[in-house]
Amino acid sequence: DGGITQSPKYLFRKEGQNVTLSCEQNLNHDAMYWYRQDPGQGLRLIYYSQIVNDFQKGDIAEGYSVSREKKESFPLTVTSAQKNPTAFYLCASTGRGAPYNEQFFGPGTRLTVL
Amino acid sequence: AQSVTQPDIHITVSEGASLELRCNYSYGATPYLFWYVQSPGQGLQLLLKYFSGDTLVQGIKGFEAEFKRSQSSFNLRKPSVHWSDAAEYFCAVGARNYGQNFVFGPGTRLSVLP
Repeated sequence: DGGITQSPKYLFRKEGQNVTLSCEQNLNHDAMYWYRQDPGQGLRLIYYSQIVNDFQKGDIAEGYSVSREKKESFPLTVTSAQKNPTAFYLCASTGRGAPYNEQFFGPGTRLTVL
Repeated sequence: AQSVTQPDIHITVSEGASLELRCNYSYGATPYLFWYVQSPGQGLQLLLKYFSGDTLVQGIKGFEAEFKRSQSSFNLRKPSVHWSDAAEYFCAVGARNYGQNFVFGPGTRLSVLP
């Protein structure tokens, strides 16, 4: 079955450490997205990529970095510069075919900074 | 700029009662509209979507939504709520062109009383 996988489901990090969240999709989608979710704040866009080797900052990119070396993969690194990284992180993807702008979501990764 | 508001942060209904979740949007043209549902600790699942045509759209799990252009609204309804419907519900405006991003509302948390 096609879908989006995120790993790990739970992640714990010490302050000052970088950590990378994995996102893989086998939907053959061109665009991929990272969102951060905090209680009562909905979804906020961190980074997005519409094509391999290209990505753009979203609304809250500071303290995060991404890469898009393969169409299937869009890993997110939470750096030590992110002041408050404890949150639920969601990866999503969108294809070009109709309805190309429907977003499909992964199950999420919960990051906790100790 | 696009925006989505969901006026109700939290709604509580009794099992078997009817439900209406409100969504208002701001968009320069006819929008693509979506409702997603999120169970605790999970990703988002698409309930239904509106692109064009019939303004009353049917979705999964017995949900429906009605697009009202004059009121810039896309309210979600269900005639009889089940305990398993307790979740967070997000309204979203999607892009008409590939490469434009979604805008999500802040979400409405639904609690269901037995």
